[in-house]
Amino acid sequence: KNQVEQSPQSLIILEGKNCTLQCNYTVSPFSNLRWYKQDTGRGPVSLTIMTFSENTKSNGRYTATLDADTKQSSLHITASQLSDSASYICVVSAGPYSNSGYALNFGKGTSLLVTP
Amino acid sequence: DAGVTQSPTHLIKTRGQQVTLRCSPKSGHDTVSWYQQALGQGPQFIFQYYEEEERQRGNFPDRFSGHQFPNYSSELNVNALLLGDSALYLCASSVDWRQGHGYTFGSGTRLTVV
Repeated sequence: KNQVEQSPQSLIILEGKNCTLQCNYTVSPFSNLRWYKQDTGRGPVSLTIMTFSENTKSNGRYTATLDADTKQSSLHITASQLSDSASYICVVSAGPYSNSGYALNFGKGTSLLVTP
Repeated sequence: DAGVTQSPTHLIKTRGQQVTLRCSPKSGHDTVSWYQQALGQGPQFIFQYYEEEERQRGNFPDRFSGHQFPNYSSELNVNALLLGDSALYLCASSVDWRQGHGYTFGSGTRLTVV
């Protein structure tokens, strides 16, 4: 069964501090891994996407890493801002499956709160 | 270049009623997927449409049905609403369901069943 586990479930940090979110997955066959930021009541917005051969991908203050051997990914946020407060969701795409394309497997997300 | 547009943004329905949610994909996208996201949970896959046909389906009952139109827009229909159907319904569009990347999400429709 394909699974995506994220930790911690929630996190509170002070503005300006760094933090790292974790994602472990058991998905086969692996296609790619994405990190999304989701503000409350809004749709997820893509931060990074990595394929099997990519170890790291940056998007401004967000840096994602991928270890395909251990099936682990992390999202590092540098110099956090109040606007970083959101849920961060790890999504692992599996496939291709014959006649059914790809399937997205979602983690439950890490809820990040950045305080002044 | 418009992204994914969903309507309505909020909706309140009574148990037993039927509801229709709408999604217009991002320009250039031809595949539409629907997800249900309960409060505090990750999105759960409902189904995916490409070329006006349902290509994949998640573990949802037949009360959940959909449709895709020739202009690639899509509808999600839910019959005989239950309290447990209250959730944020997300639509995501992409190019060619066989490619597996490039998903863009809409802002969602918040459905409350009372």
